Amino acid sequence: AQSVTQPDIHITVSEGASLELRCNYSYGATPYLFWYVQSPGQGLQLLLKYFSGDTLVQGIKGFEAEFKRSQSSFNLRKPSVHWSDAAEYFCAVGTGGFKTIFGAGTRLFVKA
Amino acid sequence: ETGVTQTPRHLVMGMTNKKSLKCEQHLGHNAMYWYKQSAKKPLELMFVYSLEERVENNSVPSRFSPECPNSSHLFLHLHTLQPEDSALYLCASSQTKGGGRSSQFFGPGTRLTVL
Repeated sequence: AQSVTQPDIHITVSEGASLELRCNYSYGATPYLFWYVQSPGQGLQLLLKYFSGDTLVQGIKGFEAEFKRSQSSFNLRKPSVHWSDAAEYFCAVGTGGFKTIFGAGTRLFVKA
Repeated sequence: ETGVTQTPRHLVMGMTNKKSLKCEQHLGHNAMYWYKQSAKKPLELMFVYSLEERVENNSVPSRFSPECPNSSHLFLHLHTLQPEDSALYLCASSQTKGGGRSSQFFGPGTRLTVL
């Protein structure tokens, strides 16, 4: 079955510390992978996406993600977190139809 | 206006009311989506329109009725809702080419409360 798992419901990091949000997927074909961010009261905004090629992809706001086929993972990273990064982050896999399967999200808290 | 807009941003309705949610995209896309976002649950895809034709309908109760009059506008008509329908309803758009593999652009959502 197709699914996306984000093991961490919430994470707290100190401002300036590094961040890694985990994402594991289950999908039979070549995955199209996305990370979206949702700030309070807002819709989702695309951070980055992976379709093919270089397994390390760069996104907006200083985020990057690494696709590891052997681990079925697509973890999101940022070397230094800013207070404005506090939000909810969603990993997603795009299918060949019009369905995108989203994970349940990881809420990031940033402490001063 | 730019991006994807949704109106109203907040809606409170009784179970016997009829209301409509509106979504408009200014990105030149030709696929539009309705999602339901409930607390502690993944986004639920409700409907997808591609080139104004419904292409996905994920077992959504008939009290939700979508309408896509053109590629820029999408409506969700609501009738005889239940309290469990209270949620954030998100609209999104994308290019048709690629389907679910296309990046989606989301509106800010309508926060719906059913009393």
